[in-house]
Amino acid sequence: GAVVSQHPSRVICKSGTSVKIECRSLDFQATTMFWYRQFPKQSLMLMATSNEGSKATYEQGVEKDKFLINHASLTLSTLTVTSAHPEDSSFYICSALAAANQPQHFGDGTRLSIL
Amino acid sequence: GENVEQHPSTLSVQEGDSAVIKCTYSDSASNYFPWYKQELGKGPQLIIDIRSNVGEKKDQRIAVTLNKTAKHFSLHITETQPEDSAVYFCAASIRNSGYALNFGKGTSLLVTP
Repeated sequence: GAVVSQHPSRVICKSGTSVKIECRSLDFQATTMFWYRQFPKQSLMLMATSNEGSKATYEQGVEKDKFLINHASLTLSTLTVTSAHPEDSSFYICSALAAANQPQHFGDGTRLSIL
Repeated sequence: GENVEQHPSTLSVQEGDSAVIKCTYSDSASNYFPWYKQELGKGPQLIIDIRSNVGEKKDQRIAVTLNKTAKHFSLHITETQPEDSAVYFCAASIRNSGYALNFGKGTSLLVTP
């Protein structure tokens, strides 16, 4: 089946640090990748949609300068949380889509903790 | 924005019994409805999906039904096992979004031996 790898799985860092999270589709080419945020015992909230070679589309209320998304190839998208603060602590999950008529496949998430 | 409502939020069943989780959606343009299983500390895993041109789909112990007129869809798990314990999310596709999804709030299923 389709495999999506997300790295790192866990990050603990000081306030003010920028953190980069990678999302890779291992056995298929992903025309579209999505980034979600999930708080404990809550649902997944879509942050942005990323298409290869173009600018990401951000959901309302998500700061594009805070959460930088790059989708430079068909197998890799990155999310950079810039100047992270404790309120940015959360579980960040990516998903990848091979084509518009195919299911989304999720990575295993990144637990981000800002001290 | 468009919403996906999911019920119940928690469900406890005995091993061998059936579990049913129900979702309703509001976006009439939604045409793709996946169900995901999420275990603690992991990402969601697709378990079954259904498209709007189909009313029912089954895969072994798991089935999904869709009523487009009423805008609701349900997940049915038969002969539940302890390893079915997890959080289950329904989702509905967002119109004109390249298949982005709106998720329900999740159902925490506990299957007791």
